[in-house]
Amino acid sequence: DIVMTQSPLSLPVTPGEPASISCRSSQSLLHSNGFNYLDWYLQKPGQSPQLLIYLGSNRASGVPDRFSGSGSGTDFTLRISRVEAEDVGVYFCMQGIQSPLTFGQGTKLEIK
Amino acid sequence: EVQLVESGGGLVQPGGSLGLSCAASGFTFRIHWMTWVRQAPGKGLEWVADINEDGSEKYYVDSVKGRFTVSRDNAKNSLYLQMNSLRVEDTAIYYCARRKVISGVRTLDVWGQGTMVTVSS
Repeated sequence: DIVMTQSPLSLPVTPGEPASISCRSSQSLLHSNGFNYLDWYLQKPGQSPQLLIYLGSNRASGVPDRFSGSGSGTDFTLRISRVEAEDVGVYFCMQGIQSPLTFGQGTKLEIK
Repeated sequence: EVQLVESGGGLVQPGGSLGLSCAASGFTFRIHWMTWVRQAPGKGLEWVADINEDGSEKYYVDSVKGRFTVSRDNAKNSLYLQMNSLRVEDTAIYYCARRKVISGVRTLDVWGQGTMVTVSS
């Protein structure tokens, strides 16, 4: 199985400041079609996960443009340009190139 | 509004059975692969099962193979998960999720609110 490793696991951020989360996979997520099969999800407190970024860098519908995804192969980053209070929750990366789907451990973003 | 609503969770003894349902609305259910994902209390996310558009292909995580069965009824816009021989370690919130309609892509673009399954004596 592909192992997904996120860092940091806890991320305190001051509102208005940027934030970044790293996700590394044990195998390349770059498909022969040129897309990286890496998604980012946010689970807000008491809610189900919601899609933020798919195929490495594509924002899902309705996701603010302060969220961006980058990276290729085995190293990926989620960036928030200016953190807002509503961004608190646990961020998960997920690989979809090989079965079984596997998720990172999660990064808990909190407001300082 | 695009929506997935799970039901059927509850408390069951080890070795028991439980059936979960997921009602879809607001989109064309029959064209989407569907997925079950679970989350043990305070833990991360674990993929459980996939089913293709017409129910002819099904895939499971190793830990539930032979015990869980995923199915769907496109006429009723519903997804199901039959869970047998339940173990304490199956205790989790079970989410149904819709796979994005891009060939070969497994992105989960819509999630239900989840239903809690507790396996305990």
